[in-house]
Amino acid sequence: DVKVTQSSRYLVKRTGEKVFLECVQDMDHENMFWYRQDPGLGLRLIYFSYDVKMKEKGDIPEGYSVSREKKERFSLILESASTNQTSMYLCASSWLDRDNQPQHFGDGTRLSIL
Amino acid sequence: KQEVTQIPAALSVPEGENLVLNCSFTDSAIYNLQWFRQDPGKGLTSLLLIQSSQREQTSGRLNASLDKSSGRSTLYIAASQPGDSATYLCAVISSGSARQLTFGSGTQLTVLP
Repeated sequence: DVKVTQSSRYLVKRTGEKVFLECVQDMDHENMFWYRQDPGLGLRLIYFSYDVKMKEKGDIPEGYSVSREKKERFSLILESASTNQTSMYLCASSWLDRDNQPQHFGDGTRLSIL
Repeated sequence: KQEVTQIPAALSVPEGENLVLNCSFTDSAIYNLQWFRQDPGKGLTSLLLIQSSQREQTSGRLNASLDKSSGRSTLYIAASQPGDSATYLCAVISSGSARQLTFGSGTQLTVLP
């Protein structure tokens, strides 16, 4: 079974802090994604990566950056956390071009910025 | 830009009923369509994936259909159970994309015992 593991289920940070959210997958997937999920807005793509050291902006990249130094790990970084970044963050992974295989999601990190 | 819509936003049914959830998308050029389930406070669980060349997929009491030309998919749940209560999300991967999903806003299903 594919396993996507997010480092924290719940996280509370203060405005202005630098925040790291970590995601690890064990299936050697090329693609990794970070989404945020908000009531009434659904899931929105922040950043994604299709290879080590490669990154692409999604729909809402402002205020975020990412790092992919190893194939299995994809980190989301909030450079200076703000209250409007309070949200549920979901990491996912998938094969690069196997369209008969789904994306696999982690359990999510509920982040609160005070 | 691809847009995905799910109707209804919420649905409440008595146990044992068969039900249909609807999903529509604006651009028919897709690689695949995926249905997910999300329990409160949890991540997404993949239920069914239909490739663009396929018409339907089945898993147990679930059946998903795809009509790419009209931009529609349905998720049929047979003999619903209280354990089916969750939010169901539809998402597509558009052709030419880097395999990122575009999601609908979901249907919140409650199955009453």
